[in-house]
Amino acid sequence: DTGVSQNPRHKITKRGQNVTFRCDPISEHNRLYWYRQTLGQGPEFLTYFQNEAQLEKSRLLSDRFSAERPKGSFSTLEIQRTEQGDSAMYLCASSLGDFSYEQYFGPGTRLTVT
Amino acid sequence: AQKVTQAQTEISVVEKEDVTLDCVYETRDTTYYLFWYKQPPSGELVFLIRRNSFDEQNEISGRYSWNFQKSTSSFNFTITASQVVDSAVYFCALSAFDSNYQLIWGAGTKLIIKP
Repeated sequence: DTGVSQNPRHKITKRGQNVTFRCDPISEHNRLYWYRQTLGQGPEFLTYFQNEAQLEKSRLLSDRFSAERPKGSFSTLEIQRTEQGDSAMYLCASSLGDFSYEQYFGPGTRLTVT
Repeated sequence: AQKVTQAQTEISVVEKEDVTLDCVYETRDTTYYLFWYKQPPSGELVFLIRRNSFDEQNEISGRYSWNFQKSTSSFNFTITASQVVDSAVYFCALSAFDSNYQLIWGAGTKLIIKP
């Protein structure tokens, strides 16, 4: 396993459409994180999973956003009724343990909402 | 409250010069973790180093070195003999109990290495 992978790498959608992103973590990593990053900013935490359990969601995370990790392996992030403000890079990361461990990031999915 | 400050928004140096990226953090916790990540133009964040609060030893890895000083709450990163491939945005991050161990990120420093 060579690292965290994310698909698609780019997504262009029209306002109001739903989009789904996929993340495949490093296989032995039990923690998986989703972040959002806009230009010139550091990553903004969205949510994280310990195995299949979603343990925390950011207060900033609108109810239009939902994430799953059904079998504790890959994860999906869905955005419903997209808005132009959702345009950003969506990053996935995984780690061997808790937040004291380093996180390894995927290449990201760049979302553009027109 | 947790906070990470990277005061240098952008640094530009000529290749082969040494450059230091500053990182100052704030936390009330005695146990915490500090990280540096590199984000090249391709966009993928690359982990560089993790340091826990009980280990103040400086670390060197090739041309990279890190200076952790608890007395000044700083965790600075130096690149020696910079190369064009070092051009990237560098992020410092903090993980501590007060933030429920979520990573608190600095705003990043954009490093430009000119040939």
